[in-house]
Amino acid sequence: TQLLEQSPQFLSIQEGENLTVYCNSSSVFSSLQWYRQEPGEGPVLLVTVVTGGEVKKLKRLTFQFGDARKDSSLHITAAQPGDTGLYLCAGTYSGAGSYQLTFGKGTKLSVIP
Amino acid sequence: DTAVSQTPKYLVTQMGNDKSIKCEQNLGHDTMYWYKQDSKKFLKIMFSYNNKELIINETVPNRFSPKSPDKAHLNLHINSLELGDSAVYFCASSPSGGRPSGANVLTFGAGSRLTVL
Repeated sequence: TQLLEQSPQFLSIQEGENLTVYCNSSSVFSSLQWYRQEPGEGPVLLVTVVTGGEVKKLKRLTFQFGDARKDSSLHITAAQPGDTGLYLCAGTYSGAGSYQLTFGKGTKLSVIP
Repeated sequence: DTAVSQTPKYLVTQMGNDKSIKCEQNLGHDTMYWYKQDSKKFLKIMFSYNNKELIINETVPNRFSPKSPDKAHLNLHINSLELGDSAVYFCASSPSGGRPSGANVLTFGAGSRLTVL
């Protein structure tokens, strides 16, 4: 079983601050996805990154896939209360087909107005 | 029109009972999944079906039995419920589980919270 470590586990910040969430693995991933989950709902896909070194932007969110495809980061600029939620990274690892995503344990973000 | 719908959303039952959770997707996807999310929010895959055929069966007690009558439905039946089965169960679907890298994007249902007393 491949393991994805996310850090920090919990993050509480003031509105307007910047933050970065990390996702690391000892294995190489063929692709990595970030999801956001709000209370009482299922996870919703934010982005998929495939190429080592790839950077994708989604409004105030910037996602980066490490050069070696073993890690990823999510940076939020000027956080808003609406960004509050559980952020999950999920990877598909090389050599095992793509039937299965392995999820990290998530980062619970609270943005205080 | 909900893409992946699960019922019921909440289920409270006694230990030892048998219960089912139903899932339907209207996205035309080939692959469906059941995930279990524990109290610490860890999402762990339980089963995956591709075109009604079981392709992933993780280490799950055989009290859990998935059934896929067609590729738009994947139901989860649980026998002899135990306290440790309490969790939120998520159904999900993806276009195909067989293609490599970025093709495997999951659409999740809203979850079914099971509480075993």
